[in-house]
Amino acid sequence: NAGVTQTPKFQVLKTGQSMTLQCAQDMNHEYMSWYRQDPGMGLRLIHYSVGAGITDQGEVPNGYNVSRSTTEDFPLRLLSAAPSQTSVYFCASRLTGGRETQYFGPGTRLLVL
Amino acid sequence: AQTVTQSQPEMSVQEAETVTLSCTYDTSESDYYLFWYKQPPSRQMILVIRQEAYKQQNATENRFSVNFQKAAKSFSLKISDSQLGDAAMYFCAYWGGSQGNLIFGKGTKLSVKP
Repeated sequence: NAGVTQTPKFQVLKTGQSMTLQCAQDMNHEYMSWYRQDPGMGLRLIHYSVGAGITDQGEVPNGYNVSRSTTEDFPLRLLSAAPSQTSVYFCASRLTGGRETQYFGPGTRLLVL
Repeated sequence: AQTVTQSQPEMSVQEAETVTLSCTYDTSESDYYLFWYKQPPSRQMILVIRQEAYKQQNATENRFSVNFQKAAKSFSLKISDSQLGDAAMYFCAYWGGSQGNLIFGKGTKLSVKP
């Protein structure tokens, strides 16, 4: 199993540009989520999905869109990048249920100029 | 809303000694789970240990153990015989059934001195 994969590893954007961060998992996990990590802020939830066709907002959803057309993929779209979206983005997945281990991707570092 | 607080932004420990990282949380739920994650410089998030709230016994994984005080809503991580490879950011996290998402604290950066 590849686990949770993310592409790209690093990206530079100009203000106003749009882009999609890719996330895929091959563990047949129902639950997938996106976090952003900023210095001194921990990991904050952006969006999450409990299954194909079902998505919901987390703590910091503004400026981001998601969709879940398949169990495996959960892309995160930045509609119009802003410098405040400079961050490290993590995708995660797990089976439903609290005791299940949440697996994280390697992260995408995004710099918005 | 549930919150997770890590009051120590940075900690330091001598190699082979013991260190304890603190975590408190706020919740009105009775059934929940608590986790400690390690993030080394590679940025990969690694699960260190997990505790179910309904279990009174403290979880242990090799050199890592927790002190879970449910009434005080405290969940500290003890690292024994610290090694250089333990140097990392450590995040405390909470999962409660009613909202279904992991909530993270802001992290503690642990340095290990040789």
